[in-house]
Amino acid sequence: GEDVEQSLFLSVREGDSSVINCTYTDSSSTYLYWYKQEPGAGLQLLTYIFSNMDMKQDQRLTVLLNKKDKHLSLRIADTQTGDSAIYFCAETKSGGYQKVTFGTGTKLQVIP
Amino acid sequence: NAGVTQTPKFRVLKTGQSMTLLCAQDMNHEYMYWYRQDPGMGLRLIHYSVGEGTTAKGEVPDGYNVSRLKKQNFLLGLESAAPSQTSVYFCASSLRGLYYGYTFGSGTRLTVV
Repeated sequence: GEDVEQSLFLSVREGDSSVINCTYTDSSSTYLYWYKQEPGAGLQLLTYIFSNMDMKQDQRLTVLLNKKDKHLSLRIADTQTGDSAIYFCAETKSGGYQKVTFGTGTKLQVIP
Repeated sequence: NAGVTQTPKFRVLKTGQSMTLLCAQDMNHEYMYWYRQDPGMGLRLIHYSVGEGTTAKGEVPDGYNVSRLKKQNFLLGLESAAPSQTSVYFCASSLRGLYYGYTFGSGTRLTVV
């Protein structure tokens, strides 16, 4: 079955880069997502990448996909205290309704 | 543009009581979902709907019922609440394709005592 794994916790200093990693098991995954959850709030879609892409950059965010190793990463450049949150990786396939599998989330702590 | 609105935001129930959680979206999304979030468990899908008048079971449907009488609303019912249903409940919606991902509500924190 599908599984998405993430490390539970990451701590970085303000101004440094953060790299949050995710591994997934379903080789037929088509869409991969990163969501951000701030305390007391719902998940917010940050970015997504198609499985036929290796990299996607959006301002301070860079997503890298290694399809061979089924590894997805989110790099946040110049990490700010406002980036402190839980980050969820998710994957799904195309075609009608398809289940989205979420990881358990990585809590990012930014130290001033 | 409200997006996805959940009511109530907080609720405390006694074991055996019933309640309904309401989710409303104003984006004309076809698909809607109910998830629960528990520490260390991530998000687990309870029920989902791919259109008005349709519902289907997710991973953890036992103890819950849903209805989607109108396209913009998705209701989650607990007929006889149990302490194991203490959780944070999230509603989400999406377009028919998953290109844009999900839009989530801000959650309902439910405690069953």
